[in-house]
Amino acid sequence: AQTVTQSQPEMSVQEAETVTLSCTYDTSESDYYLFWYKQPPSRQMILVIRQEAYKQQNATENRFSVNFQKAAKSFSLKISDSQLGDAAMYFCAYSGGSNYQLIWGAGTKLIIKP
Amino acid sequence: GAVVSQHPSWVICKSGTSVKIECRSLDFQATTMFWYRQFPKQSLMLMATSNEGSKATYEQGVEKDKFLINHASLTLSTLTVTSAHPEDSSFYICSARGRSIYNNEQFFGPGTRLTVL
Repeated sequence: AQTVTQSQPEMSVQEAETVTLSCTYDTSESDYYLFWYKQPPSRQMILVIRQEAYKQQNATENRFSVNFQKAAKSFSLKISDSQLGDAAMYFCAYSGGSNYQLIWGAGTKLIIKP
Repeated sequence: GAVVSQHPSWVICKSGTSVKIECRSLDFQATTMFWYRQFPKQSLMLMATSNEGSKATYEQGVEKDKFLINHASLTLSTLTVTSAHPEDSSFYICSARGRSIYNNEQFFGPGTRLTVL
C-alpha cells in the first residue's frame, strides 16, 4: 500500500526567508502524481503545486518549487520569500494506482514570523 | 474554473436527527466525487468515493448505512449523516474530479462543519 510521510509537524520561518517542507512516500507504481496542498485557517484546500512522476523536471509555481527525487521517493516543497499569507497547514499527497485516490501525509503547520 | 461548492458551511443538529450535505461542481462535470472527514489538527480521512450513477465505494471502517452518499448527477453529490450522534461531529470536505480537467486533480469544496448536540 502507498504511504506518505511528513516528518515535520511544525515549521517556522522568518518573513521573506526560504523554507523547505519535507515529504517522502512509498509506492511500487511507476505512474503517479504528487501534490502539495495548502489549508489555511479557513480550511479550504488549495492546490499549491503538482508533479507528474514521469517528468524529471521539478515543478515550479512562482515562489513555490519542489525537489522531486524519484529514486529516493522524496518530494519536498520549497517556499521562497515567505509571506505572512503562506501561514497554513501544508499537506503532501500521492495519487496513483488503479483509482488515483489521494493518499495524504499528516501535514506540516507552517508559521511565518513577521 | 473548477469550482466546488458545499452547502451548508456549518450545521448544528440534535442527536438522532439526520443531516444532508450537498457538494456541487459549478463549472465542470464531476465524474468522481470524494467525501473526506477531518478531525482537528489532523489530515483528511477518505470516507468514500462515488462515481456518477453508481453506488459509492466506502473505505474500511466507514458505515455505509450511517453515511449515505448519492451521486445522482454529474454536478451533485450528497452526504447524509443518518441518526447523527455527538461522535459524528467533524469537518466534512468533498472534492470532485472531472473528465477533462487536469488529469487526477481533485478540486475541493470549502467544507462543512457539523456539530451534533
